[in-house]
Amino acid sequence: DTAVSQTPKYLVTQMGNDKSIKCEQNLGHDTMYWYKQDSKKFLKIMFSYNNKELIINETVPNRFSPKSPDKAHLNLHINSLELGDSAVYFCASSHRGVGRNTEAFFGQGTRLTVV
Amino acid sequence: QQQVKQSPQSLIVQKGGIPIINCAYENTAFDYFPWYQQFPGKGPALLIAIRPDVSEKKEGRFTISFNKSAKQFSLHIMDSQPGDSATYFCAARDGSGTYKYIFGTGTRLKVLA
Repeated sequence: DTAVSQTPKYLVTQMGNDKSIKCEQNLGHDTMYWYKQDSKKFLKIMFSYNNKELIINETVPNRFSPKSPDKAHLNLHINSLELGDSAVYFCASSHRGVGRNTEAFFGQGTRLTVV
Repeated sequence: QQQVKQSPQSLIVQKGGIPIINCAYENTAFDYFPWYQQFPGKGPALLIAIRPDVSEKKEGRFTISFNKSAKQFSLHIMDSQPGDSATYFCAARDGSGTYKYIFGTGTRLKVLA
């Protein structure tokens, strides 16, 4: 029973293509995130949704568009892929409120390679 | 202000040693401080976490020490084992509204057999 699952695990695509990564969590969390991990292992937040509402949109190119059909799902669509988009993308989820267990749980990652 | 500074970048210890990883922050709105362990090809996995009103928390061989006035916290791994070799990240949650997690830059730990 995977708590946070994302698909696909690997994605190799050509520059200029459009691709999507899907994420689902079965933890009952109300908040979901997308993080990008670069080649130096640095984890940087991209987006966060709380109950399907976008609450964080860091300085990410608008070629990246998240979509949350419900609070258990958060997908990431990327248009016109560039070489610099190559990275590992992690989905995560947590409870947002104060006074609750608020740890973020991460998926296994999607390694995106743009060639 | 939104940064979490982590050191060292890498660490090598002998089996049984006690590696210590340090993190520091500036933003007083940070209200929750987890540590994550990441193995190659896997996602970060929660190891242990602490709230700022607690000075120390221990879970098994892992201990967090927290110094609120200095805005510093550290992870100690007792009796380290080769299986502990991984990258460790400290993180801080911004409790001011976004509740996003800011991560340190990671420490690559190698425990020699």
